[in-house]
Amino acid sequence: GAVVSQHPSWVICKSGTSVKIECRSLDFQATTMFWYRQFPKQSLMLMATSNEGSKATYEQGVEKDKFLINHASLTLSTLTVTSAHPEDSSFYICSALGTGGAYNSPLHFGNGTRLTVT
Amino acid sequence: AQSVAQPEDQVNVAEGNPLTVKCTYSVSGNPYLFWYVQYPNRGLQFLLKYITGDNLVKGSYGFEAEFNKSQTSFHLKKPSALVSDSALYFCAAGSFQKLVFGTGTRLLVSP
Repeated sequence: GAVVSQHPSWVICKSGTSVKIECRSLDFQATTMFWYRQFPKQSLMLMATSNEGSKATYEQGVEKDKFLINHASLTLSTLTVTSAHPEDSSFYICSALGTGGAYNSPLHFGNGTRLTVT
Repeated sequence: AQSVAQPEDQVNVAEGNPLTVKCTYSVSGNPYLFWYVQYPNRGLQFLLKYITGDNLVKGSYGFEAEFNKSQTSFHLKKPSALVSDSALYFCAAGSFQKLVFGTGTRLLVSP
């Protein structure tokens, strides 16, 4: 089945530094990937839609200069949190749009990255 | 605007009893509806979906959901709950390109 690998699974960084999170589709090509942010006891908030070879589309209220998204290949999208601050601490999840098929979900999720900014 | 509502923050049920997790939606056109489950510090796992066809959809781990167009609902059900079913459940609706998620319902199954 379709597998999405997200790395790292957790990261602790100091305030002011940048952190890169990778999202890879391991056995399928994903022209579209999505990045979400999840706060404790809350739903997933879509941050941006990442399309291979083009600029990401950010949702309203998401700072594109702070959350840099690169989708340079059909199997890899990266999210870089620049100049991280404690309020950026959260659980970040990516998903990749596959073909799905009749009995599956078209969206395949990574296992998430727990970011803690100290 | 498309929206998904999960009116219960938490559902408590005893092991062996039937469970229902509620979901209502508001989307334009014919809805694509999904249920996902999330375990602690993990991504979302697909349970089932409704695209078209029978209103009763069967999915993974013995879960099923009933699509009710008149009530715009897509409640998740299971005849007999297991302790291992305890997790966070998300209902989602929309198109393949853009799913809108509900706020999630925490299911707690007690032994």
